[in-house]
Amino acid sequence: QVQLVESGGGVVQPGTSLRVSCVASGFTFIDYAMHWVRQTPGKGLEWVAVLSPDGDNADYGDSVKGRFTISRDNSKNTLSLQMNSLRDEDTATYYCARGIAGARAQDYWGRGTLVTVSS
Amino acid sequence: IVLTQSPATLSVSPGESATLSCRASHSVTSNLAWYQQKPGQAPRLLIYATSARPAGVAARFGGSGFGTEFTLTITGLQSEDFAVYYCQQYNFWPITFGQGTRLDIK
Repeated sequence: QVQLVESGGGVVQPGTSLRVSCVASGFTFIDYAMHWVRQTPGKGLEWVAVLSPDGDNADYGDSVKGRFTISRDNSKNTLSLQMNSLRDEDTATYYCARGIAGARAQDYWGRGTLVTVSS
Repeated sequence: IVLTQSPATLSVSPGESATLSCRASHSVTSNLAWYQQKPGQAPRLLIYATSARPAGVAARFGGSGFGTEFTLTITGLQSEDFAVYYCQQYNFWPITFGQGTRLDIK
């Protein structure tokens, strides 16, 4: 069955960097676009980034553009999000999600990893 | 694209039907999805392309609409359906979500 397992969350200070990752299993990773979506504590959902199956094309939400970089290693079935210049408002649970073939919705989600930015 | 969901909270009795609305600030054609989220869990895809159900989603969940007005209808509400529901447009970058509708037991 499809599984997405995130890791790498933690508590960091504003202005610093953090890398979160997601290991995929149960499907052919190289066939799917992959997304990051975040959710602030007690609040709604915010789409963060997407990466094409071959890793050549990425797009980002306005609030993270220029600070975050999405990448993938198809040989290791791994998706990553490098987060630089972190701000208090980046505090959230970060979900890895698989894109639907032929659409840009997300059909499978991981359980998330919590990133807390605080001094 | 701003998505506005209404109502913010909906209280319905088990066995009845619920109608949730999502309005887009600009036409998103049929590129709209609905997700269900329960406390402590990740969102779950219920509907994509306005009305398509992924495998494993019960037939009591139905989506309709086009352009700027969309509806999620849940018929014969069951206890496990009480959750928060989000709409999402993926017609334009960046992908955006509505603020959610909480479906409570009446």
